[in-house]
Amino acid sequence: SQTIHQWPATLVQPVGSPLSLECTVEGTSNPNLYWYRQAAGRGLQLLFYSVGIGQISSEVPQNLSASRPQDRQFILSSKKLLLSDSGFYLCASARLAENYEQYFGPGTRLTVT
Amino acid sequence: EDKVVQSPLSLVVHEGDTVTLNCSYEVTNFRSLLWYKQEKKAPTFLFMLTSSGIEKKSGRLSSILDKKELSSILNITATQTGDSAIYLCAVHYSGGYQKVTFGTGTKLQVIP
Repeated sequence: SQTIHQWPATLVQPVGSPLSLECTVEGTSNPNLYWYRQAAGRGLQLLFYSVGIGQISSEVPQNLSASRPQDRQFILSSKKLLLSDSGFYLCASARLAENYEQYFGPGTRLTVT
Repeated sequence: EDKVVQSPLSLVVHEGDTVTLNCSYEVTNFRSLLWYKQEKKAPTFLFMLTSSGIEKKSGRLSSILDKKELSSILNITATQTGDSAIYLCAVHYSGGYQKVTFGTGTKLQVIP
């Protein structure tokens, strides 16, 4: 089965600083990869998804960006963080062979101060 | 606009009660509906439903999909404090790419 790794687990960053969150996937190949953000007590908001290396689709206009330099690596970045970027960020992986059941990583809790 | 709506937003019950959580959706090219349980960190998978009218069951939890009504329910019988969590409904649909849209979740609190 798939294992999703995310780091760091928690992060406190000042407004205006850059961001880089990394997600790697084990136990599968050519997955669809997703970045979600979850505000406190709320559902998951899809930020980006990728169906392959270098293929990124953005769902919400914002100051965040994503990249997929390798098949099982997905990176979420920002050049300048905003207070509103605070939240719980989840990476997920899904494959057609498994009916696109989403496997989630442990998440990164980001606090922008 | 594709959307997934869950109700109620929050619920407080006593141990032993039975609860029913609702999820309705409006998407194009529906593929499947998924239920997740989220405690403190990442959501954990409960059920995937693709066919209407077929109940999925796991212990005290069960779920069924009604494609005609574009909805699903998640039932939890004989609730326990360990059932306290946010229950997320997600709909998988296709449109040139494979997308998943999540509802806002139902926060369930089970008190002794």
